[in-house]
Amino acid sequence: QVQLVESGGGLVKPGGSLRLSCAASGFSFSDYFMTWFRQAPGKGLEWISYISTTGTSIYYADSVKGRFTISRDNAKNSLYLQMNSLRADDTAVYYCARGGRNCDFWGQGTLVTVSS
Amino acid sequence: DIVMTQTPLSSPVTLGQPASISCRSSQSLVHSDGNTYLSWLQQRPGQPPRLLIYKISNRFSGVPDRFSGSGAGTDFTLKISRVEAEDVGVYYCMQATQFPQGMTFGRGTKVEIK
Repeated sequence: QVQLVESGGGLVKPGGSLRLSCAASGFSFSDYFMTWFRQAPGKGLEWISYISTTGTSIYYADSVKGRFTISRDNAKNSLYLQMNSLRADDTAVYYCARGGRNCDFWGQGTLVTVSS
Repeated sequence: DIVMTQTPLSSPVTLGQPASISCRSSQSLVHSDGNTYLSWLQQRPGQPPRLLIYKISNRFSGVPDRFSGSGAGTDFTLKISRVEAEDVGVYYCMQATQFPQGMTFGRGTKVEIK
């Protein structure tokens, strides 16, 4: 069955960096667009970034553009999100999801807390 | 960005009774390809979001048929024909018509049992 498992979250100081990973299994990873979303504590959902199957097409929300970098390794069935210059308002649960327009499977999420 | 407005924000429902959630977009969600990319997601307490409905009215695999979606243009509705205890959670509408430049969500509607 389709599984997406995020990792790499944790506590980081403002201005710091983190790299999130999303390990995919149960489907042909290289055939699917992939997307990152986030959800601040007690808040709604926010689209963060999308990457095409080969990584040649990438888009970011304005809130993270220039600070976050999405990438993928199809040989390792893995999706990544490099997060730099983190701010307090980046505190959220980060979810990876399969697909672009129709994100049909979501991981359980990983919590990122930005605090001094 | 397209703004998605959901009503109500909270919906107390009696078990076995219907529930309805509305979602309005700030501009038409009809894409140039003729499709309307409006989805509904469910988030149960402590769980990640789960896709229920895509392209207005298509139920995703495994979604019970008590869930239905309808609408067109800028006005959309999610209906639960008979609410069950497992339906408690927050429901979000999401537009992907502007994909890949951006997808936006409604603020969510909390469905709870009276």
